[in-house]
Amino acid sequence: ETGVTQTPRHLVMGMTNKKSLKCEQHLGHNAMYWYKQSAKKPLELMFVYNFKEQTENNSVPSRFSPECPNSSHLFLHLHTLQPEDSALYLCASSPGTGGSNTEAFFGQGTRLTVV
Amino acid sequence: AQSVSQHNHHVILSEAASLELGCNYSYGGTVNLFWYVQYPGQHLQLLLKYFSGDPLVKGIKGFEAEFIKSKFSFNLRKPSVQWSDTAEYFCAVTLMNRDDKIIFGKGTRLHILP
Repeated sequence: ETGVTQTPRHLVMGMTNKKSLKCEQHLGHNAMYWYKQSAKKPLELMFVYNFKEQTENNSVPSRFSPECPNSSHLFLHLHTLQPEDSALYLCASSPGTGGSNTEAFFGQGTRLTVV
Repeated sequence: AQSVSQHNHHVILSEAASLELGCNYSYGGTVNLFWYVQYPGQHLQLLLKYFSGDPLVKGIKGFEAEFIKSKFSFNLRKPSVQWSDTAEYFCAVTLMNRDDKIIFGKGTRLHILP
């Protein structure tokens, strides 16, 4: 248990569906991240939120829409996805951004399959 | 662009063999360095980290890594591996003074034969 909880653990959705991934952390961290983990590719940073403000959007298609209502919760809203979006989506949190000595704590991920 | 390179994508060793996984990064500034491990079906977890000080860092489960600044390297080592070390290992870098964006390598899948 890392203190970062992701739900659901598994999700199968059609290309016309709309779904959301949820991430919650109770570590008192101020920064939260979404990563995509695909086979044979590096972990891809998608979004970074620091104190609820989005500080990084790593050229992610608009069919992925993040939301960070507070420092403890992070969502990833999904719509009209493609089969190539199937991957493990990882949420992470860290104390904060800004060049400090920090490490990230990861959730267990949501295994997404787009059919 | 900054990047992290892990030289070995798939490593197979017998128990008790020694392990060294290579990691190089491309960034000229100050960095924080990490090795994360992902056991089958589990979440990514921190194995060890380097922020400053002694460049030889010891982590959990007998792992260690050495930061060699002149070589931009942070190789992971273990003198004698166990079957339970079977996992995927990720090297990662945080660029200091460039927010805490963590850049990961592609990972090395380690398989230990019993």
